[in-house]
Amino acid sequence: DAKTTQPNSMESNEEEPVHLPCNHSTISGTDYIHWYRQLPSQGPEYVIHGLTSNVNNRMASLAIAEDRKSSTLILHRATLRDAAVYYCIRGFGNEKLTFGTGTRLTIIP
Amino acid sequence: DVKVTQSSRYLVKRTGEKVFLECVQDMDHENMFWYRQDPGLGLRLIYFSYDVKMKEKGDIPEGYSVSREKKERFSLILESASTNQTSMYLCASSFRTAGSYEQYFGPGTRLTVT
Repeated sequence: DAKTTQPNSMESNEEEPVHLPCNHSTISGTDYIHWYRQLPSQGPEYVIHGLTSNVNNRMASLAIAEDRKSSTLILHRATLRDAAVYYCIRGFGNEKLTFGTGTRLTIIP
Repeated sequence: DVKVTQSSRYLVKRTGEKVFLECVQDMDHENMFWYRQDPGLGLRLIYFSYDVKMKEKGDIPEGYSVSREKKERFSLILESASTNQTSMYLCASSFRTAGSYEQYFGPGTRLTVT
């Protein structure tokens, strides 16, 4: 049970912003929202995480809804190297994270 | 840079063989994890360990065992490999301390059991 819902796939044009949605309507008060991505032929890599407030780092931004039932990962300017499967995960800390099937992001040159 | 290495990228074994998958991390992480990844099913946790000689079952432990004799090394053991264990196996590690939320993954081992 992944406990999050994401679209199976999305497409975006190169150099444009990308908004990847995630629904986690049953999230508990202590669950963090984590995002990982998996590039082709590689293991997943951490992107960002947050609890209540919006978060920014060098890779992306995370916008969390006020009721915490959904969130959006924002890639500000997509490049071809951002083509990957993106996983939205809810959990406490860094233990026993449950990965679903994620969103396959295709970047169109 | 954190490095998680796995002993093989590709492995082919026969049904009934005992298979060892090795994972080593160089960041002094307390937690280590074994996942398997199958098309349409995402990543599923097999076992994890939060300290030397400690282990806990994940979501799909049947048919697998693990060993953690040293902090940096976590082994996944298939006692008698079966064709339904053909999969991509991913190892990960992380700190256990509060405020540490990132798991670092190895490149994966693609195991084929014939």
